[in-house]
Amino acid sequence: QLQLQESGPGLVKPSETLSLTCTVSGGSISGSGYYWGWIRQSPGKGLEWIGNVYYSGATYYNPSLRSRVTISLDTSKSQFSLRLNSVTAADTAFYYCAHTGTHNKFDHWGQGTLVTVSS
Amino acid sequence: EIVLTQSPGTLSLSPGERATLSCRASETIYSVYLAWYQQKPGQAPRLLIYGSSTRATGIPDRFSGSGSGTDFNLTISRLEPEDFAVYFCQQYVSSTWTFGQGTKVEIK
Repeated sequence: QLQLQESGPGLVKPSETLSLTCTVSGGSISGSGYYWGWIRQSPGKGLEWIGNVYYSGATYYNPSLRSRVTISLDTSKSQFSLRLNSVTAADTAFYYCAHTGTHNKFDHWGQGTLVTVSS
Repeated sequence: EIVLTQSPGTLSLSPGERATLSCRASETIYSVYLAWYQQKPGQAPRLLIYGSSTRATGIPDRFSGSGSGTDFNLTISRLEPEDFAVYFCQQYVSSTWTFGQGTKVEIK
């Protein structure tokens, strides 16, 4: 059973860079045909897709965040990472990592991690 | 960018009743790329339906999905106590994923 676990700082200062890592177990992160993604949810709000990385390393980002986001894959560690720079209070949210399977659905999710942007 | 609009925002029903949730896309989307999720407080979303109408592994058959083009529905035939939650639809097109804003199903 595929399992995902987010890790990273829970508090980031305004204007700094948010960095999170998702560790994958129970399956291969380099399996062909699949994506790995990041989704966030501001407290009490809906889900916002941040971006995906393909098993090949190709990346796809939400147009509204593209200028600030980098997602990368580290197959040697079975991890993929999110970097979001120049953060503001509006970036405070629960951040989830997820596997994107056939039909481009998010079929396995991490438990989520709360990141607060505050000085 | 395709926008998904879910309605109603909140659905107040009693256990045993039927729930019908709507997800409308701003443009025609491929049914194969329409999914539904359930989220309970403090938990990550859980995949319920993909390909518009296929139940994910372990999802009870009281959950069903339908629709095509721009209009899609999630139906819960008889609400169980554990079904009161928030439901999101999600679509994929041209390397972009988007979610609807969610429908909360609450106990009446």
